[in-house]
Amino acid sequence: EAGVTQFPSHSVIEKGQTVTLRCDPISGHDNLYWYRRVMGKEIKFLLHFVKESKQDESGMPNNRFLAERTGGTYSTLKVQPAELEDSGVYFCASSQVQGINYGYTFGSGTRLTVV
Amino acid sequence: AQSVTQLGSHVSVSEGALVLLRCNYSSSVPPYLFWYVQYPNQGLQLLLKYTSAATLVKGINGFEAEFKKSETSFHLTKPSAHMSDAAEYFCAVRRGGSQGNLIFGKGTKLSVKP
Repeated sequence: EAGVTQFPSHSVIEKGQTVTLRCDPISGHDNLYWYRRVMGKEIKFLLHFVKESKQDESGMPNNRFLAERTGGTYSTLKVQPAELEDSGVYFCASSQVQGINYGYTFGSGTRLTVV
Repeated sequence: AQSVTQLGSHVSVSEGALVLLRCNYSSSVPPYLFWYVQYPNQGLQLLLKYTSAATLVKGINGFEAEFKKSETSFHLTKPSAHMSDAAEYFCAVRRGGSQGNLIFGKGTKLSVKP
């Protein structure tokens, strides 16, 4: 089974530019999560999709961040315009609840650097 | 509200020595707890998870963790450290119901000396 795929793996952009991160979850996983780790801090939850619907977006830092999951498959996270404090590693995870035999599978992350 | 606290941002052990990474949790409901590992330049990999089936949980690469409700702890151990265990380790608790997101600790970097 293919894992969770994220791209790009690295992105360096200038302040004020737009960046779009993509996450392809494991096929059949209804739940998709975005997390972020800013340097030196803990990994923090951003938002949660169930299929194409936003279940919880309480962790989104501000309205410069826009997440979509059209068709309930892959998801994109757009940052527009990017600020210096947006730098960090963005992780995506997917899961499918099946009794106790569930788990959250993470992608390798996108390292975003805003200069 | 749930939370986890990892004691020690850096732990250094000698190869062959016991590895002990500490995690304490706070949860108003029976917790689902996880340990993840991140090797340099890689993503998060699940080591093990506690889902109330058994208090001693065995994971990959010889790691195990014991759930102790009385101590609200879920410490990660490995009897004998290997150089390849050098990585950052994260303890996490699931928030809310069965589809809830994870709440992570700040992570512990493990160094293994030859």
